[in-house]
Amino acid sequence: EVQLVESGGGLVKPGESLRLSCAASGFTFSSYSMNWVRQAPGKGLEWVSSISSTSYYIYYADSVKGRFTISRDNAKNSLFLQVSSLRAEDTAVYYCARAEKIVPPATDAFDIWGQGTMVTVSS
Amino acid sequence: EVVLTQSPGTLSLSPGERAALSCRASEGVSSVYLAWYQQKPGQAPRLLIHGASIRATGIPDRFSGSGSGTDFILTISRLEPEDFAVYYCQQYGSSPFSFGQGTKLEIK
Repeated sequence: EVQLVESGGGLVKPGESLRLSCAASGFTFSSYSMNWVRQAPGKGLEWVSSISSTSYYIYYADSVKGRFTISRDNAKNSLFLQVSSLRAEDTAVYYCARAEKIVPPATDAFDIWGQGTMVTVSS
Repeated sequence: EVVLTQSPGTLSLSPGERAALSCRASEGVSSVYLAWYQQKPGQAPRLLIHGASIRATGIPDRFSGSGSGTDFILTISRLEPEDFAVYYCQQYGSSPFSFGQGTKLEIK
């Protein structure tokens, strides 16, 4: 079964950091680009970041550029998002999602999604 | 940056009726790079349509997508009870790979 499972969320104070993880199974992880999408409570979807299969291409939303870092370990079938200098407006469920490939400037539709991990930023 | 505007914000219909959801882009989007997702409460989004009109694997044929340029439509031909959810469009032709704000389809 194709599956993505996120972990690493939690309650943190403004300015603190977290490392989110996404464990992939049931497909050849190293052949796909990967993405992070977030959803604030009661709000819509916001694309956060994308990384190509070899990590050669990386994109970020302006709202997180310089604070968040996407990475992957193909040997461990894992995707990561290092989130730093957290703000209250970063409070959201963070989803990882699969896309077939990145061919700049475009990517593919996000065909498989995890169930998400909640990040709450509050003092 | 491509901004996607979905309308209406909320659509109230009855099972068996036809639904038409709109997604308008602030600039032209190649139809190759337009997707629709469905999200139910407490669940992750699910890909319905990619390439503006191509149904994803396992999606019933009552869902169809159309459009080009700046105007795209998701049509659900005969609403089933399980179709009441929030629907998002997304463009993935250029970063940022933006989503629309969503249309909530509710039971009338």
